Amino acid sequence: QVQLQESGPGLVKPSETLSLTCIVSGDFITNYYWNWIRQPPGKGLEWIGHIYHNGNSDYNPSLKSRVSISMDTSKNQFSLRLRSVTVADTAVYYCARGYSQFGPWGQGTLVTVSS
Amino acid sequence: DIQMTQSPSSVSASVGDRVTITCRASQDISYWLAWYQQKPGKAPKLLIYTASTLESGVPSRFSGSGSGTDFTLTISSLHSEDFATYYCQHADSLPRGFGPGTKVDVK
Repeated sequence: QVQLQESGPGLVKPSETLSLTCIVSGDFITNYYWNWIRQPPGKGLEWIGHIYHNGNSDYNPSLKSRVSISMDTSKNQFSLRLRSVTVADTAVYYCARGYSQFGPWGQGTLVTVSS
Repeated sequence: DIQMTQSPSSVSASVGDRVTITCRASQDISYWLAWYQQKPGKAPKLLIYTASTLESGVPSRFSGSGSGTDFTLTISSLHSEDFATYYCQHADSLPRGFGPGTKVDVK
């Protein structure tokens, strides 16, 4: 079965860059679109963006100037970089498979932006 | 961007109740709608996609309907494990967007 696992620092300072990686097992990363989605504590879900193995990526316009998603097919993983973070970027960050609907999801990782 | 709304924002129900949640899109999204269930501290779980297609392994007491701008998620007979927050999500265009969620809790 397909499993996704997020990894990365749980604490990032304001103005710095948030970097997370999602390792995929049980499926080839070249087969689907792969997404990052976030959820601030106690709030709803926000789609950040997605990537396909041909390099095609799309981002939420609300974050487009600060975000990039990349893929390493040799390691079957993809990554998120969010630049110039503020406290408003504090959230649980999820990775998920899919283009129209999302499933399965990783367990999520809490990233706190604080000095 | 397409805006998604849900009603009610919360509903109190008992085991065995029929529960219906509504989701509305700000413009026509055809049948490009998915529903998710999220329990506290857990990732969302896909229940239904293309408005009415049940994801593999999801119990048949869950059903979805609608097209265009108005959609519903129905739980025909609430089980104890169904107390959770439910989100709708459109897939008509980019960026993908989610509704604000509906919390189903114990009456």
